Amino acid sequence: GAVVSQHPSRVICKSGTSVKIECRSLDFQATTMFWYRQFPKKSLMLMATSNEGSKATYEQGVEKDKFLINHASLTLSTLTVTSAHPEDSSFYICSARRGGAQSYEQFFGPGTRLTVL
Amino acid sequence: GENVEQHPSTLSVQEGDSAVIKCTYSDSASNYFPWYKQELGKRPQLIIDIRSNVGEKKDQRIAVTLNKTAKHFSLHITETQPEDSAVYFCAHTNAGKSTFGDGTTLTVKP
Repeated sequence: GAVVSQHPSRVICKSGTSVKIECRSLDFQATTMFWYRQFPKKSLMLMATSNEGSKATYEQGVEKDKFLINHASLTLSTLTVTSAHPEDSSFYICSARRGGAQSYEQFFGPGTRLTVL
Repeated sequence: GENVEQHPSTLSVQEGDSAVIKCTYSDSASNYFPWYKQELGKRPQLIIDIRSNVGEKKDQRIAVTLNKTAKHFSLHITETQPEDSAVYFCAHTNAGKSTFGDGTTLTVKP
């Protein structure tokens, strides 16, 4: 149990276009999902916390108008990179938290490699 | 978020030896401390975790110790095997939000 999928796994787009990444919890409900960005050989940087039915909470320095997050159901959160530029190229990973507010364990998706030309 | 320092950044050991990775944090309200293993191009996988009301936890060859007073926790891997080679991340969690260390690249030489 506790499987998280992410789609697409890899995407290449032109500068100025928008890209949507989906994160799904396949066998459990997740009221909270997290979006991370990971640079090569670097740590996971939390971008935002996605809460089902409410607005996402963004970390300092992350532009909410550029990285749109929607958590419309208990099993799906989406991250849309709007007007993507080459500096947005990165590995984006989501995670889903199983259980209630006292549950801390996160299950990670396989990640999405975004390349902006 | 609150920082966490992870050391060493790289660690090379001989197969069968032990490996120890240490993390220091500053947020005294953190109450959950997971360790993740990430192989190249793959997702982070939880390998062991500990809560703030416990000082030590062991799962076969892997153990984690926590010193809340000193605000540091460590991952111990005994009898290392080549398949233990990966990047290991510590994290500390406050109010459900985790802050990750910079990672330790562990190489186990056969």
